[in-house]
Amino acid sequence: NAGVTQTPKFQVLKTGQSMTLQCAQDMNHEYMSWYRQDPGMGLRLIHYSVGAGITDQGEVPNGYNVSRSTTEDFPLRLLSAAPSQTSVYFCASSSRQGSTEAFFGQGTRLTVV
Amino acid sequence: RKEVEQDPGPFNVPEGATVAFNCTYSNSASQSFFWYRQDCRKEPKLLMSVYSSGNEDGRFTAQLNRASQYISLLIRDSKLSDSATYLCVTRNNAGNMLTFGGGTRLMVKP
Repeated sequence: NAGVTQTPKFQVLKTGQSMTLQCAQDMNHEYMSWYRQDPGMGLRLIHYSVGAGITDQGEVPNGYNVSRSTTEDFPLRLLSAAPSQTSVYFCASSSRQGSTEAFFGQGTRLTVV
Repeated sequence: RKEVEQDPGPFNVPEGATVAFNCTYSNSASQSFFWYRQDCRKEPKLLMSVYSSGNEDGRFTAQLNRASQYISLLIRDSKLSDSATYLCVTRNNAGNMLTFGGGTRLMVKP
């Protein structure tokens, strides 16, 4: 049971570099989202998608891009990394139907130096 | 003010104790409510959904008060393995967005 798979688990970037965090789910979920988690801040929504071809901004979208070309994949792109983007990133997916739970990937620990 | 507020703790309790966590939310349009558990350096996982009539799952009891916009979680007979951070979560009417509280840290001591 793969569920939600995130890669990489750890990454160190230099300021100004770009990278893509990968997220894939095999549960045919319509909804996918990206969160960042900082100490004492809980999880904050970056971007989300309600289906292939549809994305929208969350609470903290600046500096990040997303696309959803397939139901399974929802990559998060950092355009020009900044130290303020040092955080733990979680991808999540859930079904549109009813009050169902969200499943999370294992997280990506990103450090920008 | 955060949309979902929780006491960050930590709550330090002995094994066997009963402990209660509270959470308030400001968006009256929130439709679904959950408690998630997050272990250190791990992803959040669903502990239980919260229903208006209140619900119980073993040692865990969740309550929702829509009028006061208040959610609670009661843990009875605490175990060492209950040590974790507990996240209060709301879901919007469209069902496509979750809002997380900052989490309450629980440490159960022998």
